[in-house]
Parts: sequence; C-alpha cells; structure tokens
Amino acid sequence: GAVVSQHPSRVICKSGTSVKIECRSLDFQATTMFWYRQFPKQSLMLMATSNEGSKATYEQGVEKDKFLINHASLTLSTLTVTSAHPEDSSFYICSAPKGVRTDTQYFGPGTRLTVL
Amino acid sequence: ELKVEQNPLFLSMQEGKNYTIYCNYSTTSDRLYWYRQDPGKSLESLFVLLSNGAVKQEGRLMASLDTKARLSTLHITAAVHDLSATYFCAVDMKYDTDKLIFGTGTRLQVFP
Repeated sequence: GAVVSQHPSRVICKSGTSVKIECRSLDFQATTMFWYRQFPKQSLMLMATSNEGSKATYEQGVEKDKFLINHASLTLSTLTVTSAHPEDSSFYICSAPKGVRTDTQYFGPGTRLTVL
Repeated sequence: ELKVEQNPLFLSMQEGKNYTIYCNYSTTSDRLYWYRQDPGKSLESLFVLLSNGAVKQEGRLMASLDTKARLSTLHITAAVHDLSATYFCAVDMKYDTDKLIFGTGTRLQVFP
C-alpha cells in the first residue's frame, strides 16, 4: 500500500534554531500535502496545506513566516520551523491524499520536536 | 467554521462491555473518517464513511454515519485491552479538497 514517510522522527534543538521536517510520499505523487500539529493529549490541528508548484495555504492563526512550507516536488513537502521556541515543541504529522477528492489519505509517522 | 466534537473525551471500560463513542459535526460534509492513535504514534485508519446511512464493521468496532443529524458513531462490542487507544473522527471539508478537521478525540482505556 501507499506509504508516507517523515524525517526526522525525533529532533531536539536549542531555542532560536531552525528545524526542517520532510514529508515524502513513497509510491505515489501528491500535489497536495497537509501539515498537522498535535500537542500532548490534544487533537490534531491543521496548520497548512502544502501545494506543489504554488504557495502553501495556512490556517487561521498559523504564522506563515514561522512555519515555512515548501512543496519541492510531487513527492516531497518540507516544513521548516524557524527560530524555534519551547512552545513550538509538539508532534508534527503530515498527510497526503492519493488523488484529488479521494477518500484515501495517508498519514506520516510523525516528528516529535522538542525545543530546549 | 467547521467544528467536530466527540464524546466522551475519556472512557474507561471493563473488558467484555459495549460502548459507543459519538462524533458530532457542525456543517455539511460528505466524508467522515475514524482513526486510532496509540501513544507516541501516528494515526491508523479505521473507517471511511462516504454516505448517509453508511455502516462499516471491522472486528469489535462498528462505525455509522447519519449525515442529516451530522452524527457518526463508533460502537465497541465486547471490549478487549488491545482496543485501548485514542480514537479520532475527522470530517472532510466539503468543497475544500481533502482537508480534514479532527474531532477532540476519545481516550479509551479497557481494563480487566
């Protein structure tokens, strides 16, 4: 079946540094990918929609200059957390639908970010 | 703004018992998903419900959808410890390609 990977699975960084998280669709092309953030014991909150070949669409309240999204190819989207702070510590999960208006959406394994 | 609410938020139940988790959403949608999440892990897809009256079953779990009431249920039959996890429903944003809004989640704990 289709698989979505994320790298790294876990990252610890110092406050003020930038961290890049990759999301790849391994055996299908994804013109759209989604980035979610999940704080402990909470639900997944959609941060942004990553669009191949165009700018990402951010949800209300998400700072686009802080969370940079680049959909470099049909199989890769990256999320860069710039000048990370402890409050950015969270579990970041990407997803990719296989096709358009599809009922099949695949989730990555997640990236645990800890900012010291 | 689409809101998706689940209840209960936390459920502690004895093995062998039955229970239902409810998922209410606030606006029209044409797709509803149920996911399972184990601690520290990502999501595992359980069910996709695509139409009013849809019912799907897998093992001890059964999901249904009533689009007129904007309600989905996840019914657990004869619970076992392995079902302990957090369960999320998610609603497709109609007319907005594939964007999902997640429910608040239900943390299920099954004890002997």
